Amino acid sequence: AQKITQTQPGMFVQEKEAVTLDCTYDTSDPSYGLFWYKQPSSGEMIFLIYQGSYDQQNATEGRYSLNFQKARKSANLVISASQLGDSAMYFCAMREGYSGGYQKVTFGTGTKLQVIP
Amino acid sequence: DTAVSQTPKYLVTQMGNDKSIKCEQNLGHDTMYWYKQDSKKFLKIMFSYNNKELIINETVPNRFSPKSPDKAHLNLHINSLELGDSAVYFCASSLSTSGNTIYFGEGSWLTVV
Repeated sequence: AQKITQTQPGMFVQEKEAVTLDCTYDTSDPSYGLFWYKQPSSGEMIFLIYQGSYDQQNATEGRYSLNFQKARKSANLVISASQLGDSAMYFCAMREGYSGGYQKVTFGTGTKLQVIP
Repeated sequence: DTAVSQTPKYLVTQMGNDKSIKCEQNLGHDTMYWYKQDSKKFLKIMFSYNNKELIINETVPNRFSPKSPDKAHLNLHINSLELGDSAVYFCASSLSTSGNTIYFGEGSWLTVV
C-alpha cells in the first residue's frame, strides 16, 4: 500500500488564484509528521511547510498553508495568490516510526503545478 | 554558506566504472540521508545514518556502499555502474530522525553511458 498518495500528476492555476494540492497518507503510528517540498525545474528541493500529528492548528508559512484533516488522513497544501515562480513539482512526504526507535521519511510521487499568466 | 553540499553536481561515466559522491553538512545535524530520484521524479530513500550508524538500508543493490566517517559527512560509492543507475542522487540531513525539517543538497546528476 502507498504510504503517501498524490493523486494529481499535474495541475494548472491562473496567476493570483489559490490552488490546493492533494495529499493523503497511511500510517498506524500515532506520532508522525507531514512535509511539503517544492522542486523547481532547476532541481533543488526546497522545504515549504511541516505539520506534526499532534499539532492542533494547521501549519502556515507565508502563502503556504497545510490543510490537515487527521481523521481523513489528508494533508493538502494550499498556495494562495499563485505566482509564476510557483510553477514546479510539489512533493508531499511523511515521517513515521521505523525500527530501532528511529523514523523514516517517505515521499509521494509529486504534483506538477503550472501557473498560467 | 551551503548547508548541505554534495560533489560532484554532474557526473557522466561509462558502464562498469566505479564512482563516488561526497556529501557534507555544516548544520550540526545527527541524521543524514541518500535519496535517489529517477527519471519519473520519484524520490526513494536509499540509506539513512544517525550519528555515523546505518539505520535505514532500503533494498539497495550491494554495489552501493555508503560511508559516514563522521556525522557531518556521508559519502556514496557505487561499484560497477549500470545504465539503470542513471538518476539524481540527493544527500540530505535533519537534526534527528524525528526532525521537522530535512535539508537537501543540490543533487548529483549521474548519467551512465
